[in-house]
Amino acid sequence: GAVVSQHPSWVICKSGTSVKIECRSLDFQATTMFWYRQFPKQSLMLMATSNEGSKATYEQGVEKDKFLINHASLTLSTLTVTSAHPEDSSFYICSAGRMGSTGAFFGQGTRLTVV
Amino acid sequence: QKEVEQNSGPLSVPEGAIASLNCTYSDRGSQSFFWYRQYSGKSPELIMSIYSNGDKEDGRFTAQLNKASQYVSLLIRDSQPSDSATYLCAVKGGGATNKLIFGTGTLLAVQP
Repeated sequence: GAVVSQHPSWVICKSGTSVKIECRSLDFQATTMFWYRQFPKQSLMLMATSNEGSKATYEQGVEKDKFLINHASLTLSTLTVTSAHPEDSSFYICSAGRMGSTGAFFGQGTRLTVV
Repeated sequence: QKEVEQNSGPLSVPEGAIASLNCTYSDRGSQSFFWYRQYSGKSPELIMSIYSNGDKEDGRFTAQLNKASQYVSLLIRDSQPSDSATYLCAVKGGGATNKLIFGTGTLLAVQP
C-alpha cells in the first residue's frame, strides 16, 4: 500500500509555543492531504483539507489562524499549531490517497502534549 | 443524526468466533465505504474497501454493503486476540470531494 510518513511521532511543548508537524507521501504524489485530530476514546475529526499549491480548506469550527497548513509540494504538507495551549493536546493524524484512489492511507500520527 | 453511526461497544467475542461489526450512514449519495482498524495509540490502517452492493471477501474479512438500507458491515471470521482493536467505518460522500467521514468506531475484544 501507499506509504505516508508523519513526523514527529510525539512532541511535548510549552504553552504558548508553536509546533510543526510534517506529513509526507513517500511513493506517490498527493495533490490532497487531510489533517485529523483525535481525542482519547473519540473518533477522527477532520480538521482541514490540504491542497497542493492553494489554500487549505478548513472544517467548521477549526481556526485557520491557529492551525496553519502549508502544502508546498506534491509530497509534503505541514500543520503548525500556533500558540499551543493544553486543550490542543491531542493525536494529530494526516492522510493522503493516490490520485484516482479514494482509499486514504494514514501517517503514523503525532501525539502532541502541551504543558 | 450523525452522518456515520457505529455501536461503540465493546463487542466481546471468544477466540475463533465470528465478529460482526455494523455501520449505518445518512448520505444516500455515498459511493465508497471503508473499514479501518485502529490499535490503541496508533493511527488507523485500511482493512477493506467496498463500492458496490453485496459481499467482498479478503482473507478472514468480509465487507457487506446494502445501499438501499444505507448499511455496511464487516465480518471477521476465526477471530484472534490480535484482532482486538477499534474498527472505524468511513464513508466517502457523493460528489467530487475526497473527504472521508468516520464513525466513532466499535471496540472489539477477542477473548482467548
